[in-house]
Amino acid sequence: GQQLNQSPQSMFIQEGEDVSMNCTSSSIFNTWLWYKQDPGEGPVLLIALYKAGELTSNGRLTAQFGITRKDSFLNISASIPSDVGIYFCAGRRTDSNYQLIWGAGTKLIIKP
Amino acid sequence: NAGVMQNPRHLVRRRGQEARLRCSPMKGHSHVYWYRQLPEEGLKFMVYLQKENIIDESGMPKERFSAEFPKEGPSILRIQQVVRGDSAAYFCASSPSGADTQYFGPGTRLTVL
Repeated sequence: GQQLNQSPQSMFIQEGEDVSMNCTSSSIFNTWLWYKQDPGEGPVLLIALYKAGELTSNGRLTAQFGITRKDSFLNISASIPSDVGIYFCAGRRTDSNYQLIWGAGTKLIIKP
Repeated sequence: NAGVMQNPRHLVRRRGQEARLRCSPMKGHSHVYWYRQLPEEGLKFMVYLQKENIIDESGMPKERFSAEFPKEGPSILRIQQVVRGDSAAYFCASSPSGADTQYFGPGTRLTVL
């Protein structure tokens, strides 16, 4: 089945650095979602985007719905140790109002 | 308001046995989704159910796998005659309607020996 292209696969950063990750698709999406998954847990929704060009923040997190409707990015500013985890993008195509297509995840590791 | 609940959290089965995974949606949610996740991968859609109805099972293998969401009680994902390749984390999500945000449970980690 279709999967989104999410990059980078992993990131090693210093505490306090900014982080950026993105997802691209060959299909047009009407919804982009960003989730975080901690080890042994289910994904937790961070930000939901519903309109092309939409820019939404949640604390230190900012995400945007690309103008072409085929991409989205997530930025984390001033990273802290609890930001460690796997971040997933997920999207809904225009021909389905419920089925989510998932990226493979970006693993965020903070160097001590 | 309790979140989505799944049990068991960990399940070990020998090849050929049956695995039954349970999901209780959030209060007020009548839509349930099951996903499968392999290590280092994203989630893969399996099946979407409303109370007593299967809406979309296009992501679920045709053999050995079945799902139900009865009028009363949790949703059940059932895997018969498990094989090693069924080892994965299985997540359930729920929403108040089909187009709403999906909230995920903690998952059931199935290990087939």
